[in-house]
Amino acid sequence: DTGVSQNPRHKITKRGQNVTFRCDPISEHNRLYWYRQTLGQGPEFLTYFQNEAQLEKSRLLSDRFSAERPKGSFSTLEIQRTEQGDSAMYLCASSLTTAGNTIYFGEGSWLTVV
Amino acid sequence: GEDVEQSLFLSVREGDSSVINCTYTDSSSTYLYWYKQEPGAGLQLLTYIFSNMDMKQDQRLTVLLNKKDKHLSLRIADTQTGDSAIYFCALNTNAGKSTFGDGTTLTVKP
Repeated sequence: DTGVSQNPRHKITKRGQNVTFRCDPISEHNRLYWYRQTLGQGPEFLTYFQNEAQLEKSRLLSDRFSAERPKGSFSTLEIQRTEQGDSAMYLCASSLTTAGNTIYFGEGSWLTVV
Repeated sequence: GEDVEQSLFLSVREGDSSVINCTYTDSSSTYLYWYKQEPGAGLQLLTYIFSNMDMKQDQRLTVLLNKKDKHLSLRIADTQTGDSAIYFCALNTNAGKSTFGDGTTLTVKP
């Protein structure tokens, strides 16, 4: 399967701990996105990369959040000093930088902060 | 910023047509998408339409776009129980990110 891959799929952590999620995009896609989704809401944009450059960050991405895509392939999203409000599904997506720009999503990583 | 509105719930009987509606505020959106999400899963792209089109048909799915009224709809013909899910409307500009509505939960009754 050559879709967008995310891991871990589920993570339960204690408040104050750090967590890291990994995303492997579709191999030829140069754009990679992170979204957050809470129950009853649509996905909210966090940030996106074009190759290794982080082009846009949402106001939702506080100082405790950092995303990297060091070689323009996979990406990591780290949350430091987790809070209960960080509990959500973190979705990764990827696309080509061409007309149409169709974005394909992974299955998501569920985070529960207890 | 962009505001995308969807009705929260829709219930239909198996075999009927479903129509899910979406309204938006930003007329500069270039691409408009419909995604399907089943419980605990990620988003599956169903179909999309370019802003210079009025209609797109793809098997049981028909997308209608009324740019004047900033209204997008998804019609599912011959709705099946497997179509029960949450449907998201999303808008995208060339800037890259997409803005999503809060989803419409479709329930199909046998």
